[in-house]
Amino acid sequence: DAKTTQPPSMDCAEGRAANLPCNHSTISGNEYVYWYRQIHSQGPQYIIHGLKNNETNEMASLIITEDRKSSTLILPHATLRDTAVYYCIVPRYRDYKLTFGKGTLLTVNP
Amino acid sequence: EAGVAQSPRYKIIEKRQSVAFWCNPISGHATLYWYQQILGQGPKLLIQFQNNGVVDDSQLPKDRFSAERLKGVDSTLKIQPAKLEDSAVYLCASSLGLAGAQYFGAGTRLSVL
Repeated sequence: DAKTTQPPSMDCAEGRAANLPCNHSTISGNEYVYWYRQIHSQGPQYIIHGLKNNETNEMASLIITEDRKSSTLILPHATLRDTAVYYCIVPRYRDYKLTFGKGTLLTVNP
Repeated sequence: EAGVAQSPRYKIIEKRQSVAFWCNPISGHATLYWYQQILGQGPKLLIQFQNNGVVDDSQLPKDRFSAERLKGVDSTLKIQPAKLEDSAVYLCASSLGLAGAQYFGAGTRLSVL
């Protein structure tokens, strides 16, 4: 299973871009990178996923390095409602099982 | 589109009692998951269904936990008898298939006294 490493916490000013890093150096060629977040007292929320190309949707952008050993989730204009724990997950290719680590607690400050 | 519905939102029971949680997945989603999230930790998969068949229940404590998904739609998770260490949030999620994004409900917070 590809293990991911994320910083335990990060701060960001409201209105600025939040860049959340994730290392997944043991990722296999056919494994995707998924990002979820969990706002306090809510269930996890799917954000975005990608294989090798950069991806963008209405919530965020995902930048994956060329060697695929790391990625960055970008929230372009963070708001207070983006304060949450962000999980970077590489599901197992054989069964797509999600293994949640401790994630990164992003605190957006006014 | 309606999301994953779970009930109840909160439940308080005494140890050795039984409890049941209910989940209604997103319409058309074939795969349904139950997770346990202990305070301060990430969610841990308990059981996964594909339609009404079990795909993975390797992490389910089968001596006290059971789950079923009748007719491949709604699901219930039961604990009998409950222990103090079962205090956690129980999350239900669904996805279109085995791969792809999972969509989570708000969870049921269980307190075992």
